[in-house]
Amino acid sequence: GAVVSQHPSRVICKSGTSVKIECRSLDFQATTMFWYRQFPKQSLMLMATSNEGSKATYEQGVEKDKFLINHASLTLSTLTVTSAHPEDSSFYICSARDSRTPGGYTFGSGTRLTVV
Amino acid sequence: DQQVKQNSPSLSVQEGRISILNCDYTNSMFDYFLWYKKYPAEGPTFLISISSIKDKNEDGRFTVFLNKSAKHLSLHIVPSQPGDSAVYFCAASAYLGGANNLFFGTGTRLTVIP
Repeated sequence: GAVVSQHPSRVICKSGTSVKIECRSLDFQATTMFWYRQFPKQSLMLMATSNEGSKATYEQGVEKDKFLINHASLTLSTLTVTSAHPEDSSFYICSARDSRTPGGYTFGSGTRLTVV
Repeated sequence: DQQVKQNSPSLSVQEGRISILNCDYTNSMFDYFLWYKKYPAEGPTFLISISSIKDKNEDGRFTVFLNKSAKHLSLHIVPSQPGDSAVYFCAASAYLGGANNLFFGTGTRLTVIP
């Protein structure tokens, strides 16, 4: 199946700084990628849908200026958490739809963000 | 607004017995449903899926049942094994309708007791 590589796997940053998370499709072109956030012991919440060459579509309640998404190429989408605060600490996962993958969706391995 | 819900946050089952995990959804546009297994700090691992044109899909020890009228699906694992212990998420999308978004349930932590 298709592979999505997500980096970094863990990051610790200071409050007020920005952090960029990368999601790459390694062996396929992903015109659409999805970004999820998971709080401890909770569901994976869809944050936004990233579309190559156009603006991302954000879910209700997600701050666009806080979580900047860029999908500049068919193989790379980035999520930048700007002016991070401790409440942004969470587990972030990207995903792409791919018909070759069992289930039709392939996921990155996730990024654990800790803001101190 | 949680469109996919798993009302049981946890489930304990004896090894060899059947595990039944339940999931409910509210969006009638959903036409494709999946079950994932997830460990902490990892991405979800796909288990089994079902489209709305079916009411049952089986793959080895895993069977998913779909009741469209009740907007309910369930995952049966039989026999349950200790290695099945994990958090299980159901997910849904309007996949066949062309939408890409995948919405997850709240998860059920399954513990299989040896």
